[in-house]
Amino acid sequence: GAGVSQSPSNKVTEKGKDVELRCDPISGHTALYWYRQSLGQGLEFLIYFQGNSAPDKSGLPSDRFSAERTGGSVSTLTIQRTQQEDSAVYLCASSSRTGGGYEQYFGPGTRLTVT
Amino acid sequence: DQQVKQNSPSLSVQEGRISILNCDYTNSMFDYFLWYKKYPAEGPTFLISISSIKDKNEDGRFTVFLNKSAKHLSLHIVPSQPGDSAVYFCAASTGGYGQNFVFGPGTRLSVLP
Repeated sequence: GAGVSQSPSNKVTEKGKDVELRCDPISGHTALYWYRQSLGQGLEFLIYFQGNSAPDKSGLPSDRFSAERTGGSVSTLTIQRTQQEDSAVYLCASSSRTGGGYEQYFGPGTRLTVT
Repeated sequence: DQQVKQNSPSLSVQEGRISILNCDYTNSMFDYFLWYKKYPAEGPTFLISISSIKDKNEDGRFTVFLNKSAKHLSLHIVPSQPGDSAVYFCAASTGGYGQNFVFGPGTRLSVLP
């Protein structure tokens, strides 16, 4: 079946502009996560959605970052007034329970470059 | 303060030999651990997981060992293959399904033919 998809795959934007990144999770997955990976760094948690519960926004680095998940499926991460330090690969993942455990399925990421 | 550490940024192993990737954590509340593999320009893919009630989990060439008292886990790949060359991330979670995962910085494994 289809995996997690993200669009666009690459985005170049000028400093100060707003950007929207999209994530289509695997159908039926109730949990959705956003991470970012800066050059040479590990994955940094941004935000997590679980069903209809209030999202865990504890990883968002500033109020310029926001995300929503419509209808429990597609999610959009919005970065307002982009800065050069926002340049990174933004990864989305969705999660399902498998037997006694659970795992995340990642999309290919969106590479954001702020010039 | 990093809660999940992978102190070796890179590792080189000869094809056919064992690869051992290490991960240390500081939060004793972590009770579920995962390993992911990441190729360039792709998202991470799940490899293997282990719950804190176990000390070993095996899946084919991949085995994860958990030492709770030392807050240490390791991933063993035997035998290593050139296609295993990738960045490996250790991740940890608390509280069960759907909780936030904390990732380590990754270890780049190179398997030499």
